Amino acid sequence: GESVGLHLPTLSVQEGDNSIINCAYSNSASDYFIWYKQESGKGPQFIIDIRSNMDKRQGQRVTVLLNKTVKHLSLQIAATQPGDSAVYFCAENTGNAGNMLTFGGGTRLMVKP
Amino acid sequence: DAGVTQSPTHLIKTRGQQVTLRCSPKSGHDTVSWYQQALGQGPQFIFQYYEEEERQRGNFPDRFSGHQFPNYSSELNVNALLLGDSALYLCASSLGWANQETQYFGPGTRLLVL
Repeated sequence: GESVGLHLPTLSVQEGDNSIINCAYSNSASDYFIWYKQESGKGPQFIIDIRSNMDKRQGQRVTVLLNKTVKHLSLQIAATQPGDSAVYFCAENTGNAGNMLTFGGGTRLMVKP
Repeated sequence: DAGVTQSPTHLIKTRGQQVTLRCSPKSGHDTVSWYQQALGQGPQFIFQYYEEEERQRGNFPDRFSGHQFPNYSSELNVNALLLGDSALYLCASSLGWANQETQYFGPGTRLLVL
């Protein structure tokens, strides 16, 4: 399949280790945040979301942390697997009304067996 | 439960031509958003349709237009294609447009303008 991102920041981790992917968002008025995973040749796949009234949310093997003070979002993946290899995007909802998403630049996660 | 589908998967056009891309939303969803993703970048919001009307629009020229049908499916039209329009075009569906509902993406249509 074609490459999603050729010059993205890359995080390389060993299989079984934990991964942390960081994202700085731009709009202090944003109150809804989403992490998407995009594999080569595919559309973004929803991973987990968080609203601004929370600072942490956990899913299956994933945790999202939100620091509104410094406008920072992170995605933690526990026990990273080869299937986690992909490009990860954070997105913020910046519409005062509506559902427009603004995406960050993305981070490529590479899992070494 | 069918997810978001898009057609065609790939398309090659020449400068100046017009193109129409199609999207069927996830079952139960009534809102369709379109995004453009250039190689190596995150998706950029083009516009969003709900109840057959454009509800929000990103920073894209009028060459980009759309339509939503009564069955909630949608089309994206691009006129007078430029080389810079080459990108992956993504459709996302959600339930309702005024709420912060999760958007689910289709596989995209890869457009190449020569």
